[in-house]
Amino acid sequence: QSALTQPASVSGSPGQSITISCSGTSSDGGSYNFVSWYQQQPGKAPKLMIYGGSKRPSGVSYRFSGSKSGNTASLTISGLQAEDEADYYCCSYVGGSTLALFGGGTKLTVL
Amino acid sequence: QVQLVQSGAEVKKPGASVKVSCKASGYTFSGHYIHWVRQAPGQGLEWMGRINPNSGGTNYAQKFQGRVTMTRDTSISTAYMELSRLRSDDTAVYYCARDPSQIGSSLYYFDSWGQGTLVTVSS
Repeated sequence: QSALTQPASVSGSPGQSITISCSGTSSDGGSYNFVSWYQQQPGKAPKLMIYGGSKRPSGVSYRFSGSKSGNTASLTISGLQAEDEADYYCCSYVGGSTLALFGGGTKLTVL
Repeated sequence: QVQLVQSGAEVKKPGASVKVSCKASGYTFSGHYIHWVRQAPGQGLEWMGRINPNSGGTNYAQKFQGRVTMTRDTSISTAYMELSRLRSDDTAVYYCARDPSQIGSSLYYFDSWGQGTLVTVSS
């Protein structure tokens, strides 16, 4: 199975909002309820930002939110800050023998 | 607090096997799935499989079936991932990660990650 589809890169200025899309979560047999998002800083392990499509773990800024439209899940970061610059990955349960798939990753640049 | 500590970096020759460990602390080891995810240099994350630490039951990604074996030792709260018949494109950082949802009602997300283990495959 191919990875879920994410844009390779997005950018925004401090204070702006950006949205990262993740498509293929339904057609691959997955469910929006099982979509999660991870932030990865260079040389670090991924960090959970959103789970269950739109739930935010304790300690994660309210500026991070998850949503869905049709066959596409999205991560929105509002009030961009320099510290948000990182790679972001979506992940979804897809069933079958390969239970979970990650997106290809999106590099966020804060201008 | 939940902590996953992995074994150190490995260098292996093509055709060999590697076994990476992941020691859990701060929670009931048998209560939550442990997943393994890898990341090749400059590439994205790739799900490899998971183990139920209570039963030892496993699920492997189709790509790795026949080459990967995930086990656990509940007496020391440690999970293991062994990958055999290594190739150069298996060079990657291998992570273990915990699914915080209860076994049997997994929500397929990962709230705690190990620090990663670099496996280099080179002749």
